[in-house]
Amino acid sequence: NAGVTQTPKFQVLKTGQSMTLQCAQDMNHEYMSWYRQDPGMGLRLIHYSVGAGITDQGEVPNGYNVSRSTTEDFPLRLLSAAPSQTSVYFCASRPQGGLNQPQHFGDGTRLSIL
Amino acid sequence: AQKVTQAQTEISVVEKEDVTLDCVYETRDTTYYLFWYKQPPSGELVFLIRRNSFDEQNEISGRYSWNFQKSTSSFNFTITASQVVDSAVYFCALGAGFQKLVFGTGTRLLVSP
Repeated sequence: NAGVTQTPKFQVLKTGQSMTLQCAQDMNHEYMSWYRQDPGMGLRLIHYSVGAGITDQGEVPNGYNVSRSTTEDFPLRLLSAAPSQTSVYFCASRPQGGLNQPQHFGDGTRLSIL
Repeated sequence: AQKVTQAQTEISVVEKEDVTLDCVYETRDTTYYLFWYKQPPSGELVFLIRRNSFDEQNEISGRYSWNFQKSTSSFNFTITASQVVDSAVYFCALGAGFQKLVFGTGTRLLVSP
């Protein structure tokens, strides 16, 4: 049972480059989300999706795009990377039905923008 | 607006000491959920507990216990007889409103032998 799988685990980019962080889950969860973790700031919600074809913005969406064409996949796109986007990114999923369901997190992607 | 405050940035204890991690939350919703997650040095996030706003019973799981008090908007986490393996960053989180989870800034716990 793979759970939530994030790829890559590490990535270094140059300013202005584009990149897609992949997230896949095999639990048939409707709800998926992306967070970024920065020192001293905890985890902040970037974007989330309540099902295929539906996405919405979280707390810090600027500079990121998402799409949800299938239930399993929820990629996060950086169109023009900036040093401020250096962070650890976590993808999470949970069943539909509200926050009484705990979220399952991937192992994270460490992204450095030079 | 929802907010979670973990005022303790870092706590250092010696093995076998008891330690309490504080969590204070703010929400105007009457239905909400509180969570604790552990992030060990390896970096993954491990779910520890979920509590809903209608259940103020304290919970104990082995050396871990949680004290939920709506009167003070707190959801504190105590580790009894701490061990080196407990060294991690611990996050408290609030879920209010249908979809969003708000995290505190985390408390780093260092347990030395």
